[in-house]
Amino acid sequence: RKEVEQDPGPFNVPEGATVAFNCTYSNSASQSFFWYRQDCRKEPKLLMSVYSSGNEDGRFTAQLNRASQYISLLIRDSKLSDSATYLCVVNDKNSGYALNFGKGTSLLVTP
Amino acid sequence: EAQVTQNPRYLITVTGKKLTVTCSQNMNHEYMSWYRQDPGLGLRQIYYSMNVEVTDKGDVPEGYKVSRKEKRNFPLILESPSPNQTSLYFCASRPSSGGARNEQFFGPGTRLTVL
Repeated sequence: RKEVEQDPGPFNVPEGATVAFNCTYSNSASQSFFWYRQDCRKEPKLLMSVYSSGNEDGRFTAQLNRASQYISLLIRDSKLSDSATYLCVVNDKNSGYALNFGKGTSLLVTP
Repeated sequence: EAQVTQNPRYLITVTGKKLTVTCSQNMNHEYMSWYRQDPGLGLRQIYYSMNVEVTDKGDVPEGYKVSRKEKRNFPLILESPSPNQTSLYFCASRPSSGGARNEQFFGPGTRLTVL
């Protein structure tokens, strides 16, 4: 199984800060890309899909660079409720469309 | 409400005692899968199913079995559990195999301890 690599953190940031997470994937045949959020001991939930042109959802911006096999997530104006683990996920057609999960980046937003 | 349900949510058992973790989804999804999550190792896929009666191994299938007799159900069977199967297990489903808008939904998790 090809790898999805993330910096595990933790990233400790104050409320209101901007924070960026990066992710690299090794399989150039990967087709779909996502960021999931996981709260402690809970199930992962889709935060946003990542499109080639980049996309934004409120305070969250995702970027994809296929040439460099690199995905990013930018969170602006961090809230306490953003504290969670952020999972970079790649959908790999060559592995039966399995979702390949990174190990996650931990974010803690402090008052 | 659209959801994936798992039972039990918590289970403590002993080595060798067969157990089944049930998973059910009410979204008519074709694709279902099982993951285990361990500290430092992230989410690893155990088995997946692309449709009824179609199942295949994921990354860590040893010691597990699955079946997909109906579209909505995808039970995970541990015939002879061992302590190294102590983990947090998630069932998941999504509409089909691939695609950018193909959101995967997870169940709430089953925390299994094998003594």
